[in-house]
Amino acid sequence: KAGVTQTPRYLIKTRGQQVTLSCSPISGHRSVSWYQQTPGQGLQFLFEYFSETQRNKGNFPGRFSGRQFSNSRSEMNVSTLELGDSALYLCASSWGQGSTDTQYFGPGTRLTVL
Amino acid sequence: AQSVTQLGSHVSVSEGALVLLRCNYSSSVPPYLFWYVQYPNQGLQLLLKYTTGATLVKGINGFEAEFKKSETSFHLTKPSAHMSDAAEYFCAVSENGGGTSYGKLTFGQGTILTVHP
Repeated sequence: KAGVTQTPRYLIKTRGQQVTLSCSPISGHRSVSWYQQTPGQGLQFLFEYFSETQRNKGNFPGRFSGRQFSNSRSEMNVSTLELGDSALYLCASSWGQGSTDTQYFGPGTRLTVL
Repeated sequence: AQSVTQLGSHVSVSEGALVLLRCNYSSSVPPYLFWYVQYPNQGLQLLLKYTTGATLVKGINGFEAEFKKSETSFHLTKPSAHMSDAAEYFCAVSENGGGTSYGKLTFGQGTILTVHP
C-alpha cells in the first residue's frame, strides 16, 4: 500500500509570494491533517480535513488555508509569505474515526522563504 | 489546554545500553498517547500508541512504553540500543473526545537520541 505522498519536496519562495503544497493520503483514508515543524516552535497543528470539510483548526493566521478534494487529496496554501513561514510542512492521513486513530505522515515539504 | 513535556532535548547512550526517553503530559482527562520517530529528512513514523487497556504497550523495533496515570507519564524504553535507533523521538497526545480533538496531535519538543559505538 502506498504511503502518504507530498509534493513538492522542496520549495524556495520570496517574501510576499504565495505557495500551494499538495498531499495525497493513503488509499481509503478520509482525514488529512497538516503540521508545521520548525526548530523553534516544534511541531504545530495547522488544520484537519475530513470528507472535504475542515473539522479542526490550529492557532495560525488566516494566511494559512487548506482544502480537500473528493478523492481526499488535500492542499494547503500560504499567502503573503513571511520569513518565519520557513519550515517543514508535514501532512498526515488517517481513517478519521476519532482520537485513537493512527496518523501516517508523509515525508514533508521543506519551504524556504527568502 | 493539553501540553506535553519531554525531559531532555538530547539523550546519548552507548550501543547495547538501556534507552529511556521521558514524556509527561498535562490534561484534565487522560488523553491518548503516541510515540513517533523521525529520521533525518523524513516524516514521522509511529512507534507505539496507548488508547485503552494494558498500560504497558509494545511497539516496533523493540520499543515499549508504560502509561502511568498517577504520574501523568508515558516514558519510552528499549532494553538495548542499536546504532540504527539514532533519530529524533516525539511524544504526542490526542484529546479524548470529539470536536477540537479531530485530527489534532499535540507534540512534545522532541528528544534527539545519539547512540555511541
